[in-house]
Amino acid sequence: NAGVTQTPKFQVLKTGQSMTLQCAQDMNHNSMYWYRQDPGMGLRLIYYSASEGTTDKGEVPNGYNVSRLNKREFSLRLESAAPSQTSVYFCASSPSSGSSDTQYFGPGTRLTVL
Amino acid sequence: AQSVTQLGSHVSVSEGALVLLRCNYSSSVPPYLFWYVQYPNQGLQLLLKYTSAATLVKGINGFEAEFKKSETSFHLTKPSAHMSDAAEYFCAVSAAGRRALTFGSGTRLQVQP
Repeated sequence: NAGVTQTPKFQVLKTGQSMTLQCAQDMNHNSMYWYRQDPGMGLRLIYYSASEGTTDKGEVPNGYNVSRLNKREFSLRLESAAPSQTSVYFCASSPSSGSSDTQYFGPGTRLTVL
Repeated sequence: AQSVTQLGSHVSVSEGALVLLRCNYSSSVPPYLFWYVQYPNQGLQLLLKYTSAATLVKGINGFEAEFKKSETSFHLTKPSAHMSDAAEYFCAVSAAGRRALTFGSGTRLQVQP
């Protein structure tokens, strides 16, 4: 039982390049989330998917797109990377989108945009 | 709207000393409150959560937190710090009817031998 897995672990991009961050969970959870973590700011929600087939914007969605490919997988795409998107990205999942549900986090992807 | 304030971005204690990490929240509806821990180069792991069943919540690794509505606080404590407790700790709030967690800015705990 791997929990939440993310690929890649590290990535360096040049400004304007595109890439997709992959996330998968094997806990049969309905809801999945993408966060970014910046120093001194905690985690901020980019997008979430309450259930398969639905996605919604979070606090900081600009410059990102997401795809809920199936129940297990939730990808985050940067179409044209900018230095402001340098951050650590975390994927999480929870059994449902209930407010009291525990979210389970992946190990993160450290992205640097030059 | 909901928000979380963690007082003290860095806290240093001696091994065996009391750990106290502070968290204050604001929420327009009854909140659910969480403490997560992040070890270096890892994802976040749930320590404990408050879901209105009991105001004193016990979590993993000897940590506990008390929900005080009158003070809008949810401080995290551990009676005796261990070297392995060195990590970053995040308080988060989720209000009924909302799907997203709002995180505080985190407190880095250092444990001195």
